[in-house]
Amino acid sequence: GIQVEQSPPDLILQEGANSTLRCNFSDSVNNLQWFHQNPWGQLINLFYIPSGTKQNGRLSATTVATERYSLLYISSSQTTDSGVYFCAGGSGGSNYKLTFGKGTLLTVNP
Amino acid sequence: GAGVSQTPSNKVTEKGKYVELRCDPISGHTALYWYRQSLGQGPEFLIYFQGTGAADDSGLPNDRFFAVRPEGSVSTLKIQRTERGDSAVYLCASSLGGGGTEAFFGQGTRLTVV
Repeated sequence: GIQVEQSPPDLILQEGANSTLRCNFSDSVNNLQWFHQNPWGQLINLFYIPSGTKQNGRLSATTVATERYSLLYISSSQTTDSGVYFCAGGSGGSNYKLTFGKGTLLTVNP
Repeated sequence: GAGVSQTPSNKVTEKGKYVELRCDPISGHTALYWYRQSLGQGPEFLIYFQGTGAADDSGLPNDRFFAVRPEGSVSTLKIQRTERGDSAVYLCASSLGGGGTEAFFGQGTRLTVV
């Protein structure tokens, strides 16, 4: 199966700062999602983005499928953005099977 | 329902006991998935259903684990002879179709084997 590497593993920000989270894949993917796991463990869907660029409020994401990476941008961070961010990808005919990275733990301080 | 619903939220069981975890997917979603998340890790795939049939059970760790979806909606994950290493959060997800469509996750069942 594919390998998924997320960076950085940990990130500490002051409220209002911007950040970029990265996800690298060992093989090309045709299914890619970004999630935010809240303190209660719920995975919240942020983006379904196998290719291209999407924006939703202060968050945006870009996937460059040919270069096997995806980026998640958080602008003007808020304390409520804290938590673990996961990317997950699926490839080929088994693209229903999401392989997750180990996540980025984001802490936003007031 | 509005989202994927899992019951119970928490389950504590003794080593060697049998447990069942339930998942109620989003109405109309034909694809259903089970994942397992250990502390500090991302979720790991267990099994994928398309309709009533298990299309891919390659992630089930051993034959103590089994899952069913008899009517193509609710699914039950069954674990026999539980071991302490089975302790984890078990997550269920559903999607409108298979083939890499967007998956939505439930809140999980935290299983603790003592």
